[in-house]
Amino acid sequence: AQSVTQLDSQVPVFEEAPVELRCNYSSSVSVYLFWYVQYPNQGLQLLLKYLSGSTLVESINGFEAEFNKSQTSFHLRKPSVHISDTAEYFCAVSELGSNTGKLIFGQGTTLQVKP
Amino acid sequence: EAQVTQNPRYLITVTGKKLTVTCSQNMNHEYMSWYRQDPGLGLRQIYYSMNVEVTDKGDVPEGYKVSRKEKRNFPLILESPSPNQTSLYFCASRKGGNGRADEQYFGPGTRLTVT
Repeated sequence: AQSVTQLDSQVPVFEEAPVELRCNYSSSVSVYLFWYVQYPNQGLQLLLKYLSGSTLVESINGFEAEFNKSQTSFHLRKPSVHISDTAEYFCAVSELGSNTGKLIFGQGTTLQVKP
Repeated sequence: EAQVTQNPRYLITVTGKKLTVTCSQNMNHEYMSWYRQDPGLGLRQIYYSMNVEVTDKGDVPEGYKVSRKEKRNFPLILESPSPNQTSLYFCASRKGGNGRADEQYFGPGTRLTVT
């Protein structure tokens, strides 16, 4: 069975400051890793994913995440945040080769960007 | 526009009154699923469907039913709703199953309150 832990429920940060949202996972099998973002009153949107290859993955809006297998982590970072980045962020894993397609989500981290 | 739609977006009902939340996708996706989102718990899978007439339980199926008679539709049925089913519900779809890590597309959510 897999589990995902997001270490911070809320992260307040000032605009243009760097931010890191932490995610650790536990699994006995290989997994795919995802970050989803949920803007207020909207559904979830895929931000980025790690399937294989380079451990550093990037999104089109400046976020990046690094897969660290030894530490079973997939932390999300952005060097300079904007007000528009205010949202809830979910880390998720999916078992490699699974037929169910199930995503196991963390509890979510609310990023609050202040002016 | 590729999308997953859900109706209704908001619903307040009373204990025991049967209800159906509809979900429809226009991307010809084989795989669809339902999640519920609760504070501090992230999203948990209720049911999923690999294709027409193929459905299976997720992690929290008690009190819910689903059907998949057409590829595009995947309704969630609560035969006798109870207050502990008050939650935010998301429908999701993706292209295929069998361990593929395709992006899952989420609907806008249905906020259900059972009194």
